[in-house]
Amino acid sequence: DSGVTQTPKHLITATGQRVTLRCSPRSGDLSVYWYQQSLDQGLQFLIQYYNGEERAKGNILERFSAQQFPDLHSELNLSSLELGDSALYFCASSVATTNYGYTFGSGTRLTVV
Amino acid sequence: AQTVTQSQPEMSVQEAETVTLSCTYDTSESDYYLFWYKQPPSRQMILVIRQEAYKQQNATENRFSVNFQKAAKSFSLKISDSQLGDAAMYFCAYRSAQGNNDMRFGAGTRLTVKP
Repeated sequence: DSGVTQTPKHLITATGQRVTLRCSPRSGDLSVYWYQQSLDQGLQFLIQYYNGEERAKGNILERFSAQQFPDLHSELNLSSLELGDSALYFCASSVATTNYGYTFGSGTRLTVV
Repeated sequence: AQTVTQSQPEMSVQEAETVTLSCTYDTSESDYYLFWYKQPPSRQMILVIRQEAYKQQNATENRFSVNFQKAAKSFSLKISDSQLGDAAMYFCAYRSAQGNNDMRFGAGTRLTVKP
């Protein structure tokens, strides 16, 4: 157990639908990062939050949004889903400034049918 | 923007042998961190080794070591005495030391270990 909790582990939904992915960071970590990994590809950075505030945006579609709550858990909302949104979505957390890299959750496997 | 390139989509190694995975990166910064992550079939991302750019000494973690060439912007991973459990995707990653920045990943190298 890495200490970063992602739910659900698997999600199957239809095109056009909306889903919410949840992430609880490791205790003490203020930063949360969301990444998308399509089949057999690298990790694409989506968005970063630090202590409730958005810090950086990557290649995140307008149909996607995220937030970090006062208890530091984060949610990634994906709407108007398309087949191409099928991927593994990772959440990672870290302390504010660290050279220790991220701690990753086990990911949410999203399948859009 | 910083980019990370892994030029070897796939590599294979015989069990107990040594293999080196390549990684290059592009940055104008002088202070940053580099990482190698392992992703086994379980899909969990596992930190293998890390290197601070200001350190000249190459990092080592048991059978894993790196060859960090700052001027060449190269960061290769050497796996010695390869084991079957080393089979996985390996990702090289870059993170700026400026503030609280995100990590940029390469496309990955799939390592196969032959018994």
